[in-house]
Amino acid sequence: QKEVEQDPGPLSVPEGAIVSLNCTYSNSAFQYFMWYRQYSRKGPELLMYTYSSGNKEDGRFTAQVDKSSKYISLFIRDSQPSDSATYLCAMSAGNFNKFYFGSGTKLNVKP
Amino acid sequence: EPEVTQTPSHQVTQMGQEVILRCVPISNHLYFYWYRQILGQKVEFLVSFYNNEISEKSEIFDDQFSVERPDGSNFTLKIRSTKLEDSAMYFCASSKGDRGPGEQYFGPGTRLTVT
Repeated sequence: QKEVEQDPGPLSVPEGAIVSLNCTYSNSAFQYFMWYRQYSRKGPELLMYTYSSGNKEDGRFTAQVDKSSKYISLFIRDSQPSDSATYLCAMSAGNFNKFYFGSGTKLNVKP
Repeated sequence: EPEVTQTPSHQVTQMGQEVILRCVPISNHLYFYWYRQILGQKVEFLVSFYNNEISEKSEIFDDQFSVERPDGSNFTLKIRSTKLEDSAMYFCASSKGDRGPGEQYFGPGTRLTVT
């Protein structure tokens, strides 16, 4: 069983839509959950970072963590064409060591 | 805004050659990482480094790999004898550590092509 599962997409939505991106995981020890945005041939850019369960909001982005279901989500409100990128989830057990990444979901926001 | 930088942006080398990939982490960061991403695949953890020693390494990080912080600013990844399957994007990341391990900032990457 893979540590982190993420639907690769691609996901295509019209501008202004609400986007929901998800990851599931198998390791109950994960406590730190991150979402990164990656443009083609660029480094991942940190979007959201949450600890344990709950919600976190930052502008148009909301991250949710449900540890009981081992499920995390990223919501993007009022999506823009500039949001078109690959979104990576990543998680860690809480030390400063190994991070596990999902395979990424490719998002295309159409004008 | 401070950022992680990496050089070179693209490195082409022949199989069996040694390569050194260079990174300059954000200046007040204490934790350093190397990742790789084979084209079309997921980002994979290679190694983490703190207090001048390796904290953890993955199964990928075998004896052909080594890391070093030769001075106060640079962080390097050396591959001693490159193989075709080492072709990938290599990302360096750094973290201050004061807000937990999640706030890692990535560099733009070095694309390594082994021929």
